[in-house]
Amino acid sequence: AQKITQTQPGMFVQEKEAVTLDCTYDTSDPSYGLFWYKQPSSGEMIFLIYQGSYDQQNATEGRYSLNFQKARKSANLVISASQLGDSAMYFCAMRGLTGANSKLTFGKGITLSVRP
Amino acid sequence: DSGVTQTPKHLITATGQRVTLRCSPRSGDLSVYWYQQSLDQGLQFLIQYYNGEERAKGNILERFSAQQFPDLHSELNLSSLELGDSALYFCASSVSGAGSHGELFFGEGSRLTVL
Repeated sequence: AQKITQTQPGMFVQEKEAVTLDCTYDTSDPSYGLFWYKQPSSGEMIFLIYQGSYDQQNATEGRYSLNFQKARKSANLVISASQLGDSAMYFCAMRGLTGANSKLTFGKGITLSVRP
Repeated sequence: DSGVTQTPKHLITATGQRVTLRCSPRSGDLSVYWYQQSLDQGLQFLIQYYNGEERAKGNILERFSAQQFPDLHSELNLSSLELGDSALYFCASSVSGAGSHGELFFGEGSRLTVL
């Protein structure tokens, strides 16, 4: 079984500053992938970044980076130089990379508000 | 634009009714997933199809059913609707193989309101 935990209350950040959104996970899969998605108020789910459990380096994708600490089972998303358009709900998700079941398990999400 | 198309975008119906939600995956994607998003339950995985066959089942009620057709589009059928079925229903697709991390690409969702 897989579990994603996102316990931060609503987060606020000043425009142009960096913010970290926390995610911890639990899984029995020896190999797995971690994902972050953004859901703006319009509702669509937008894929942001991926981290494989055996990747040697932390993933980066533009202003998004993933602070992956395998021993601590955490995969925090760092957004640098926040923009007003970053205000949204952010979901951490994971799936095992072995076996046929490739569904994503999602956390409950964190609301981020960027202040001008 | 993710390339995944869902219809209808909004649907209002009454308790006891039946609705069908439709999804066209991205071109070339063989897997289709259905998720339900509600305020109290978050994003819940319902069911996955791969190339026309059911691959995995999640928290899908017996009143709900789905299928994937030969052209790879999928339909989610919700019957005997209850107030608690009001939610945003997402379809997502993914491609397997080299170069893919298996990320899901989501449609814009179908917002169902049961009155």
